[in-house]
Amino acid sequence: RKEVEQDPGPFNVPEGATVAFNCTYSNSASQSFFWYRQDCRKEPKLLMSVYSSGNEDGRFTAQLNRASQYISLLIRDSKLSDSATYLCVGSNSGYALNFGKGTSLLVTP
Amino acid sequence: DAGVIQSPRHEVTEMGQEVTLRCKPISGHNSLFWYRQTMMRGLELLIYFNNNVPIDDSGMPEDRFSAKMPNASFSTLKIQPSEPRDSAVYFCASIGANTGELFFGEGSRLTVL
Repeated sequence: RKEVEQDPGPFNVPEGATVAFNCTYSNSASQSFFWYRQDCRKEPKLLMSVYSSGNEDGRFTAQLNRASQYISLLIRDSKLSDSATYLCVGSNSGYALNFGKGTSLLVTP
Repeated sequence: DAGVIQSPRHEVTEMGQEVTLRCKPISGHNSLFWYRQTMMRGLELLIYFNNNVPIDDSGMPEDRFSAKMPNASFSTLKIQPSEPRDSAVYFCASIGANTGELFFGEGSRLTVL
């Protein structure tokens, strides 16, 4: 069982919709969390870090719930260019970065 | 600035052959990671180095896999002998001491026939 679990999707949403992904982690010692984005046949790239207080970057909001051991990503006003796979990542030592298998998002016109 | 550089980008080989994948991390980054990605298993951490020293190789699947980092600017991942189930995209990534961001190379797509 992977330390980080995600719903693989795919999530098919129309342009302009709001979509949310959740991710659960099993290692309560995990300290840092991130969302990465991976386009088809490309490498993963950092989308945003996740803080306990929650953080927002434009249309993207990330939340961390330590009590329930889950991380969320909310995308508002989704664009066609948001279509990608979103990877949830946990780190329990500052270096051991454990990736979920990713959630696939397809935004349609 | 140059990112993480991996070679080869694509490799097709036959079962039993030796495969060597190469990685040059971002200059100044002191930690380097090797990941393998497949549809079935997603991104799996194989091994990571800190200051050229292997810290955790528990993700290396078996003795056929080995990794080295002889200096701060170069690492190799070797598979000998290769098997069809090793077919995957192998990513190298590096991270700086003061940031949380992992920078990936473009990956090496390996096909073992």
